[in-house]
Amino acid sequence: ELKVEQNPLFLSMQEGKNYTIYCNYSTTSDRLYWYRQDPGKSLESLFVLLSNGAVKQEGRLMASLDTKARLSTLHITAAVHDLSATYFCAVDTPPGANSKLTFGKGITLSVRP
Amino acid sequence: DTAVSQTPKYLVTQMGNDKSIKCEQNLGHDTMYWYKQDSKKFLKIMFSYNNKELIINETVPNRFSPKSPDKAHLNLHINSLELGDSAVYFCARGGGGYNEQFFGPGTRLTVL
Repeated sequence: ELKVEQNPLFLSMQEGKNYTIYCNYSTTSDRLYWYRQDPGKSLESLFVLLSNGAVKQEGRLMASLDTKARLSTLHITAAVHDLSATYFCAVDTPPGANSKLTFGKGITLSVRP
Repeated sequence: DTAVSQTPKYLVTQMGNDKSIKCEQNLGHDTMYWYKQDSKKFLKIMFSYNNKELIINETVPNRFSPKSPDKAHLNLHINSLELGDSAVYFCARGGGGYNEQFFGPGTRLTVL
């Protein structure tokens, strides 16, 4: 069974500093997704990573995928309060019509002044 | 705007009741999903439908029955509600390329 692990589960960040969070998964997949969820809200799609070495950036967030290591990282540059949320990664397996997303438990980020 | 709507947003009910949650997407995509998010925020797929046909049924109790009357709608009916059914239920649609999914606003179900 596919396992998707995120760590840490909670991260208190200081405004202006850089941080990296991780997503590991246990089976072969070339496709990984990052979502953001604000408290009491829905999930918002942030990044779709489709191949080994894929890198996507949006504002202060940069996501990358290493399919050989089965690892995705989400790098946060100069954290600001607006980035406080829970971030989920999800892995897409198996390929084909029955493909489904398996989510990690999420990492809750809190940015303090 | 993900073009996915759900009703109701909140649902409070007694154990043993039967309830339904409605989901609609207005972009004409073929694939729709139901997810359950528990109190620890763990998100798990329950069902997926493609063009009104059930594709994925993830070991969900028989008390949960999805119904897709047409491509735009995927409703979730729950019989004999139990305390453990309390959660947030999200409907999602595909159509973002590969398996990118777009989520509705969620329905918070509380079973008393």
